Amino acid sequence: AQKVTQAQTEISVVEKEDVTLDCVYETRDTTYYLFWYKQPPSGELVFLIRRNSFDEQNEISGRYSWNFQKSTSSFNFTITASQVVDSAVYFCALSEDLKAAGNKLTFGGGTRVLVKP
Amino acid sequence: EPEVTQTPSHQVTQMGQEVILRCVPISNHLYFYWYRQILGQKVEFLVSFYNNEISEKSEIFDDQFSVERPDGSNFTLKIRSTKLEDSAMYFCASKGGAYNEQFFGPGTRLTVL
Repeated sequence: AQKVTQAQTEISVVEKEDVTLDCVYETRDTTYYLFWYKQPPSGELVFLIRRNSFDEQNEISGRYSWNFQKSTSSFNFTITASQVVDSAVYFCALSEDLKAAGNKLTFGGGTRVLVKP
Repeated sequence: EPEVTQTPSHQVTQMGQEVILRCVPISNHLYFYWYRQILGQKVEFLVSFYNNEISEKSEIFDDQFSVERPDGSNFTLKIRSTKLEDSAMYFCASKGGAYNEQFFGPGTRLTVL
């Protein structure tokens, strides 16, 4: 069975501080995919990134960066120089074997980020 | 940019009533999903649908739930006899190919009184 744990339920920072969100996952599959989604106060789920289990290269996209470490089953997300608009709940998710027609997403509990001006 | 749409945005119903939540996935997508999120909790998988049939369903998706793709554009979730605990935000998602990411709709907030 697959499981995603986001130990931090809420993080509060002041604007321009960096914030790192932890994500630890469990899966028996050797092939799997990891995702981050953002849920702003308006409620929708916004896709941020997808990584597959064979690609441990870290990725940077603007102020966002992701650190994938297979050895510790972690896929952490850092927001650099946070802004008020980054205030949202962030979900880490896992999907096993995307070839399978089901390939559901298993979500972590989410981390609420509050960026204060 | 294409997006998944859902109607209604908010549905209020009495316990025991049937509700149908509607979704219009992105037009060339082939895989369809329903998830729910009870207020303040994690997003939970309900069902996936591909090639006009259910490919996987969770324990939550019991006999009270059904899905349908009645035409080439809509994807619906029906709850036959709603319970108080069905109150949640219901998200529809779709993806174009097996290796693509899922794109989510804005959600329908269901309130069962």
